[in-house]
Amino acid sequence: ETGVTQTPRHLVMGMTNKKSLKCEQHLGHNAMYWYKQSAKKPLELMFVYNFKEQTENNSVPSRFSPECPNSSHLFLHLHTLQPEDSALYLCASSRQDRGQNIQYFGAGTRLSVL
Amino acid sequence: KNEVEQSPQNLTAQEGEFITINCSYSVGISALHWLQQHPGGGIVSLFMLSSGKKKHGRLIATINIQEKHSSLHITASHPRDSAVYICAVTGNQFYFGTGTSLTVIP
Repeated sequence: ETGVTQTPRHLVMGMTNKKSLKCEQHLGHNAMYWYKQSAKKPLELMFVYNFKEQTENNSVPSRFSPECPNSSHLFLHLHTLQPEDSALYLCASSRQDRGQNIQYFGAGTRLSVL
Repeated sequence: KNEVEQSPQNLTAQEGEFITINCSYSVGISALHWLQQHPGGGIVSLFMLSSGKKKHGRLIATINIQEKHSSLHITASHPRDSAVYICAVTGNQFYFGTGTSLTVIP
């Protein structure tokens, strides 16, 4: 148990659905991340939020929309996804203001797009 | 070609064996991370290092900045060490290796 909670753990959605992934941490961290892990591909960083401000967006399609209402919660809103978006989506958090960046990961949401 | 390369991709060992996983990178970095991913997706950050060597229990991580190379060693391996081990580096952005799948047989 890393202290980072992701819900749901599994999600199946159609290409026309709208759904949201949720990530929550109460570790006192000020940075939160969304990653995508596709089968047999390196882990891909999608978004970074630092003190609730988005600091990085690695050319992610607009059908993925992040939201960080406060430093403890992070959402990934999904709409009109494609089958190739099926993957494990991982959330992580870290405390960045001391030059450290050890990230704590959630267990992930396994997403299947039909 | 990935900015971070790991070897081997797959590794099977007998319980008790000494294990080494290697990571080479081609970009300038501020830190290197070793991550452990268990079946089902849960990831734990094992080490973050920018120089030298760190030890935690049976795990040892080393880094050679000049050679852009890091190794993760597991001493007295155990079946519970079976997992995917991922090397990642942070510089201007994050880069991740594809991971090494380790299976330790009793």
